[in-house]
Amino acid sequence: GENVEQHPSTLSVQEGDSAVIKCTYSDSASNYFPWYKQELGKGPQLIIDIRSNVGEKKDQRIAVTLNKTAKHFSLHITETQPEDSAVYFCAAPTRGRRALTFGSGTRLQVQP
Amino acid sequence: NAGVTQTPKFQVLKTGQSMTLQCAQDMNHEYMSWYRQDPGMGLRLIHYSVGAGITDQGEVPNGYNVSRSTTEDFPLRLLSAAPSQTSVYFCASSRNTLGNSPLHFGNGTRLTVT
Repeated sequence: GENVEQHPSTLSVQEGDSAVIKCTYSDSASNYFPWYKQELGKGPQLIIDIRSNVGEKKDQRIAVTLNKTAKHFSLHITETQPEDSAVYFCAAPTRGRRALTFGSGTRLQVQP
Repeated sequence: NAGVTQTPKFQVLKTGQSMTLQCAQDMNHEYMSWYRQDPGMGLRLIHYSVGAGITDQGEVPNGYNVSRSTTEDFPLRLLSAAPSQTSVYFCASSRNTLGNSPLHFGNGTRLTVT
């Protein structure tokens, strides 16, 4: 099955700085890579995803890049704000694309 | 606009007790799944269903049962609770296969087994 590794486990940045979270995956057939944000006491919520036919996707201050050769993808948050503080999870398909395997999560703290 | 609804929000069980975690979605999604979340381990898949009447095991299925008699509901049953099942449980649904449809999560059930 798919194995997804996520780094770092914790990340602290100053407000206005950029934050980068990286994930690697093991199954070269994987073709869909979502990122989820989890706020305290809530379920994860999709913030951006990328499919293997593109190398980069942007949505305002959030971007995701994909390197299929190296089997890794990254989440980039620019101009961070205190409300970006949360736990972020990457994921990749498994079980013939019938489920998602999640990374272990990154706790992002944006210091005002 | 309810989305995915999980009940109860909190539950405390004694070892050996049984219970059912409820999950309902009102988006007519075919795919539903259960994950557990433990510190430092991310989200691990317990069971999933690609449609009514169809269920399959995930990464950590032992000690849990599921059924999918309707499109809307996907209950998770703990047959004989153990302290190792202390966790936060999330139900999620999506419109179809995950290749082109995001997962929608409920807000979780926090279970403590003493």
